[in-house]
Amino acid sequence: DAKTTQPPSMDCAEGRAANLPCNHSTISGNEYVYWYRQIHSQGPQYIIHGLKNNETNEMASLIITEDRKSSTLILPHATLRDTAVYYCIVRVAGGGSNYKLTFGKGTLLTVNP
Amino acid sequence: DGGITQSPKYLFRKEGQNVTLSCEQNLNHDAMYWYRQDPGQGLRLIYYSQIVNDFQKGDIAEGYSVSREKKESFPLTVTSAQKNPTAFYLCASSPLAGAVGSPLHFGNGTRLTVT
Repeated sequence: DAKTTQPPSMDCAEGRAANLPCNHSTISGNEYVYWYRQIHSQGPQYIIHGLKNNETNEMASLIITEDRKSSTLILPHATLRDTAVYYCIVRVAGGGSNYKLTFGKGTLLTVNP
Repeated sequence: DGGITQSPKYLFRKEGQNVTLSCEQNLNHDAMYWYRQDPGQGLRLIYYSQIVNDFQKGDIAEGYSVSREKKESFPLTVTSAQKNPTAFYLCASSPLAGAVGSPLHFGNGTRLTVT
């Protein structure tokens, strides 16, 4: 799986949009971008994933650049409950060992009142 | 509600003892996984299983063992051979190994402390 690079930490004011960047310059054509988040002492929670096109769901939006070498997770109106570590992962959708998801250290997003 | 249940939430053991961590899912998922997380670190894959009675080693399988006798259960045994067993252990499952749009669903973890 391609490696990803994320800033170690970010701050955001409550009610504002949080934009979390992720670089994945070695991504292959068949690799998807997945985002998870982990609130302290809990299991990671799936947020969103995409291949080429921008995606939106009830939690967030995912913007993938045209060359697919980077992406941005957008939380449109951050709340204090969004304070968590956010992980960006790229992987192939397929069987066998392709499920060896590699989680880096992620980005600690702190939402301030 | 469907989900993944890990028990207990906190577990304390003496060095040299084997300990088994429970993971049960009622999501009817085919694949299940065990990860280990150390303070300030990401997750590392210990073992995974795509179907009943089959499992594969992950990146850090030494000192651990698993079984998958039932689709809904994937217990992890931390043996005395594991040099640094104190960690946060996370179990996860997914509908079909590797299928598009099948993200992992995680339990809330078991924090194991060995002294």
